[in-house]
Amino acid sequence: KNQVEQSPQSLIILEGKNCTLQCNYTVSPFSNLRWYKQDTGRGPVSLTIMTFSENTKSNGRYTATLDADTKQSSLHITASQLSDSASYICVVSDRGSTLGRLYFGRGTQLTVWP
Amino acid sequence: EADIYQTPRYLVIGTGKKITLECSQTMGHDKMYWYQQDPGMELHLIHYSYGVNSTEKGDLSSESTVSRIRTEHFPLTLESARPSHTSQYLCASSDRTSGSPSTDTQYFGPGTRLTVL
Repeated sequence: KNQVEQSPQSLIILEGKNCTLQCNYTVSPFSNLRWYKQDTGRGPVSLTIMTFSENTKSNGRYTATLDADTKQSSLHITASQLSDSASYICVVSDRGSTLGRLYFGRGTQLTVWP
Repeated sequence: EADIYQTPRYLVIGTGKKITLECSQTMGHDKMYWYQQDPGMELHLIHYSYGVNSTEKGDLSSESTVSRIRTEHFPLTLESARPSHTSQYLCASSDRTSGSPSTDTQYFGPGTRLTVL
């Protein structure tokens, strides 16, 4: 069972609308959580990173939240644009190894329609 | 935009061929990684390196091999490609954003889409 679960698997919204993507994880001991954006045929690009003590972080129209007690995170996209169409991947890092192992979710495929 | 490059971007080859996927970065990062990603699935770490002459296998077993002779270069080789190797291969490198290695930020290349017929 994947230790990082994302929902929904896919989402279609109209341009200008807001949306929220969810990430639940079981990774322990927790170190940090990242949200990446991956355009089709490209490598992931980091949007935000949050450590245990942070519960919200913004990057332009992207706002990520973290509840380390319930092991949940969300990524809120405001006033969506066509260029937001991509896969959004939740990545959780543990602190139980020297490498700082990363656990990847399968992503939420977001499509923004005009 | 990260300065990490992968070539080729797309490769279609026949079974049994030897291939090398190139990855290079100009950021001076010590750590480099190779991931395999199938459509709609999560990334799986197949190889990583802490620096020159350091290579380790990742979580997902892979028949590929890697080398790290120079800091900026981390090629991946398949001696005899098979259809089961068809996938997207992503290279990444990381710096140190704090004192803990687990907070390294990984920068990804654009990927190589490999198809083995």
